[in-house]
Amino acid sequence: KQEVTQIPAALSVPEGENLVLNCSFTDSAIYNLQWFRQDPGKGLTSLLLIQSSQREQTSGRLNASLDKSSGRSTLYIAASQPGDSATYLCARSRNTGKLIFGQGTTLQVKP
Amino acid sequence: DGGITQSPKYLFRKEGQNVTLSCEQNLNHDAMYWYRQDPGQGLRLIYYSQIVNDFQKGDIAEGYSVSREKKESFPLTVTSAQKNPTAFYLCASGSGPYNSPLHFGNGTRLTVT
Repeated sequence: KQEVTQIPAALSVPEGENLVLNCSFTDSAIYNLQWFRQDPGKGLTSLLLIQSSQREQTSGRLNASLDKSSGRSTLYIAASQPGDSATYLCARSRNTGKLIFGQGTTLQVKP
Repeated sequence: DGGITQSPKYLFRKEGQNVTLSCEQNLNHDAMYWYRQDPGQGLRLIYYSQIVNDFQKGDIAEGYSVSREKKESFPLTVTSAQKNPTAFYLCASGSGPYNSPLHFGNGTRLTVT
């Protein structure tokens, strides 16, 4: 059973496009939802954390939203750049503090 | 600079040997975690520790062992009992169990032949 699902698995867009990455989860009893970025062969970098009482968080060109009732989160990237090319992972946490990760969306932004 | 250091970056071992992966953090975080990443499978939790001298099994703990004798250190031993140990191993830490972002190291890629 896949508790956290990310669609699509891969995405290729031209530079400058606005884009949305999707994350869905099966259990609405979450404590928070986190978005991470992973470059090839590297660890994960935390981008945004949305607590269960919040609906969205923004950082620069990134905006993440959370809809617990529908079990969905989206990561919006404005004016994409080639440097945004990476794998983006979402993860939800339960009250145990453990994170459950999705399989990620690999983004390629073409110059 | 505060952060998490994993060493070595690449590790090669023969089947049947135990191997220990190092993870050190200077962020003063209480919680530390070990994840395994396989292609197409995302990250899976091996072990985690919320406080010194205490740790709990994650979802795939079989064939692994950990210790947490110091706040800064959370080494992971991959034993010969782990049936498919070749993977990318990631260590993470956090300042609290629920609502703090996790900080990750750069990973250790273990290859067992």
